[in-house]
Amino acid sequence: DTAVSQTPKYLVTQMGNDKSIKCEQNLGHDTMYWYKQDSKKFLKIMFSYNNKELIINETVPNRFSPKSPDKAHLNLHINSLELGDSAVYFCASSTGTSNTGELFFGEGSRLTVL
Amino acid sequence: AQSVTQLGSHVSVSEGALVLLRCNYSSSVPPYLFWYVQYPNQGLQLLLKYTSAATLVKGINGFEAEFKKSETSFHLTKPSAHMSDAAEYFCAVHTGGGNKLTFGTGTQLKVEL
Repeated sequence: DTAVSQTPKYLVTQMGNDKSIKCEQNLGHDTMYWYKQDSKKFLKIMFSYNNKELIINETVPNRFSPKSPDKAHLNLHINSLELGDSAVYFCASSTGTSNTGELFFGEGSRLTVL
Repeated sequence: AQSVTQLGSHVSVSEGALVLLRCNYSSSVPPYLFWYVQYPNQGLQLLLKYTSAATLVKGINGFEAEFKKSETSFHLTKPSAHMSDAAEYFCAVHTGGGNKLTFGTGTQLKVEL
């Protein structure tokens, strides 16, 4: 039974399209995140939600819009996709916002923009 | 700003040899430090964490790391490498509210027969 699950795992699309990635966690955690991993494996936080409230919003183009319908789900919608958006997007969750909290990651969603 | 630097983007060891992956941190306050591992086509998994308790931290799969304030280091070690240890390893530091982690650039560990 997967703890943090993301769909789809692979996504290939054309520039200019709009796409969404969904994430669900069944760990009962309060906090969820989106991270972007580029082709050089560099991992950077994008957003974080705690109990459906946005608490971290890094410098990300406003074409990226996260949505958290409840604390078990955090979706990522991307408008007007660009070549530079090609990356692996990881969803993660943790218990609360404590700085000693462990992050539990999903397996990633590989987005390829052509 | 707090950050971590991983020295060596690729490390290759023989099976049974010592594994040493280097991480240095920059922080004006006592840092909370982490090592994560990423196996191919998978998400990251926590190996161990330092949260200002014991300076020698033991993690899963036989890994450990020692926090050395004088050297601003948090190097990851394992006495004897196994083929299954081949993966990407990330050092990370807590850098802000909301459990925000900043990751290093990663070190690819290769284990050879």
